Amino acid sequence: GQQVMQIPQYQHVQEGEDFTTYCNSSTTLSNIQWYKQRPGGHPVFLIQLVKSGEVKKQKRLTFQFGEAKKNSSLHITATQTTDVGTYFCAVSASGNTGKLIFGQGTTLQVKP
Amino acid sequence: DTEVTQTPKHLVMGMTNKKSLKCEQHMGHRAMYWYKQKAKKPPELMFVYSYEKLSINESVPSRFSPECPNSSLLNLHLHALQPEDSALYLCASSQATGVQPQHFGDGTRLSIL
Repeated sequence: GQQVMQIPQYQHVQEGEDFTTYCNSSTTLSNIQWYKQRPGGHPVFLIQLVKSGEVKKQKRLTFQFGEAKKNSSLHITATQTTDVGTYFCAVSASGNTGKLIFGQGTTLQVKP
Repeated sequence: DTEVTQTPKHLVMGMTNKKSLKCEQHMGHRAMYWYKQKAKKPPELMFVYSYEKLSINESVPSRFSPECPNSSLLNLHLHALQPEDSALYLCASSQATGVQPQHFGDGTRLSIL
């Protein structure tokens, strides 16, 4: 079945440093979504990318979809302690079923 | 604040008990989902309801029984669970199935004794 690999699994940064997480697929994706889950919380939808080469920004967060639609990245500029959590990419399974396949997630720790 | 409400927030039950998890949304969404999430793992899809009909069952054991009484409510009936079923159970909804953002509830943290 469809799989998406997400790296790194963990990242510890000093507050103010940048952070990036990557998702890669061996097959072409129709779209990719990004979610954030705070410790003890639930996944919260951040953004959806559908177009080849698409770049979207939300304040300090920059999301990118690769030209071949096989990879995506989330970059955070100048991390803050509020950025702590696990970031998941998720791709839609074929068939318009609503089924999401999540990456393993990247857990971000920020040292103040 | 989450727009998908799940009750209870915590549940401890024995392996012979019967209990139900409840989920409610008032966003007019027509697709609803149950996920299971173990610690330090991504959510795993269990069931999808589309327009109140079960459209996906991810080979979930029959001790988990979903029910969608109406377009706003989703239940998960539990019976004879095993210790390995201890996890966070998340409900989510979206406008429809397909390429749609999913809105998650806070989850029910379930412990099986």
